[in-house]
Amino acid sequence: SQQGEEDPQALSIQEGENATMNCSYKTSINNLQWYRQNSGRGLVHLILIRSNEREKHSGRLRVTLDTSKKSSSLLITASRAADTASYFCATVFSTDSWGKLQFGAGTQVVVTP
Amino acid sequence: DTEVTQTPKHLVMGMTNKKSLKCEQHMGHRAMYWYKQKAKKPPELMFVYSYEKLSINESVPSRFSPECPNSSLLNLHLHALQPEDSALYLCASSQVPWRNYNEQFFGPGTRLTVL
Repeated sequence: SQQGEEDPQALSIQEGENATMNCSYKTSINNLQWYRQNSGRGLVHLILIRSNEREKHSGRLRVTLDTSKKSSSLLITASRAADTASYFCATVFSTDSWGKLQFGAGTQVVVTP
Repeated sequence: DTEVTQTPKHLVMGMTNKKSLKCEQHMGHRAMYWYKQKAKKPPELMFVYSYEKLSINESVPSRFSPECPNSSLLNLHLHALQPEDSALYLCASSQVPWRNYNEQFFGPGTRLTVL
């Protein structure tokens, strides 16, 4: 079963707008990661945030983590058509020494020019 | 080289065929993974190899047989598959499965169709 629930399931925005998607999880985590997947292709790692971190930035990406609410958000600023993809959060349980990724259902983002 | 390569890109096979998927990485990673992904769903973990040894098998049917000949290569042997096994098969690698640093690098996948 999936660890994470993502919201919204789908998001359609215009170029230049910001896109925000959320991920909630149920079990105590060691870290949370965000991945992007272009249609039918492999996943690309975007950012990893550890359980003792609250916010991280990478280029136009901003990730927050609230462990008390068991939730994370991914913000893409000034979106581009090339940001059209599915975005998955993935958690690693704090009790899992293998670091297995537990993926959420994903958010499909469409950015129109 | 931060790339994971997979061959073939597409594969169509009958239910009586035997075929293999291949995955290669040259990042010195000692953990390698096979995932199965159905359309509009997240990837599902199938197998994990750590230091060329099978560490995790997520109760995958025996018609899928993984193999790790060396630290750079990972194979998935397919035999007597069912149409419901049609999916995108993704290979990934990472540093040793240490939970703080388990960023995974994914290959482009093999699109498998079972007729």
